[in-house]
Amino acid sequence: AQKITQTQPGMFVQEKEAVTLDCTYDTSDQSYGLFWYKQPSSGEMIFLIYQGSYDEQNATEGRYSLNFQKARKSANLVISASQLGDSAMYFCAMREGLSGNKLVFGAGTILRVKS
Amino acid sequence: SAVISQKPSRDICQRGTSLTIQCQVDSQVTMMFWYRQQPGQSLTLIATANQGSEATYESGFVIDKFPISRPNLTFSTLTVSNMSPEDSSIYLCSAGDGQGAYEQYFGPGTRLTVT
Repeated sequence: AQKITQTQPGMFVQEKEAVTLDCTYDTSDQSYGLFWYKQPSSGEMIFLIYQGSYDEQNATEGRYSLNFQKARKSANLVISASQLGDSAMYFCAMREGLSGNKLVFGAGTILRVKS
Repeated sequence: SAVISQKPSRDICQRGTSLTIQCQVDSQVTMMFWYRQQPGQSLTLIATANQGSEATYESGFVIDKFPISRPNLTFSTLTVSNMSPEDSSIYLCSAGDGQGAYEQYFGPGTRLTVT
């Protein structure tokens, strides 16, 4: 069974607007971590934000926030005030256990920011 | 955050040859991982590189094809053996600390083309 699902293959957003990238996950573990990475065309994986399963507050990092809805098993990434440099592939990933284990990735969403 | 470097950054290799990719972390880390990203696809874990013992391979990946070394807590190598065009991918090294820290960072990747 697929553990991480990203249902949006591609998204467009107007510069300066906010955009939400969807991610749902499947696990029977109580302890897990959720990650979002950005991959520009250069291929590097840039860590954006992390949410632990026991974290009560939604994670935020600058213009990035993670809308964590545990009961629905969703961990959507919200990017506020989009910039042209945000155009990239975005991957949601999960780690079962809070540290030390492998990541399982979703299929990714390609985001294009329009000027 | 850990800084991870990889060498080479890219290479073009002939079918039937082997390539060794190096991964260096600027601090001691418990866990190191090797991922493969085939063109247009998401990341798939090849193996977990264990210091002082054999690597742990994921289903579909075998040691004869992808031998891995982990001589210390800051360095690992992945060899892609007897290459075919299907091995053309980005290979990414990742490092995480299994001692409670959640971060998992990636190297810049090695873009391999097999002709």
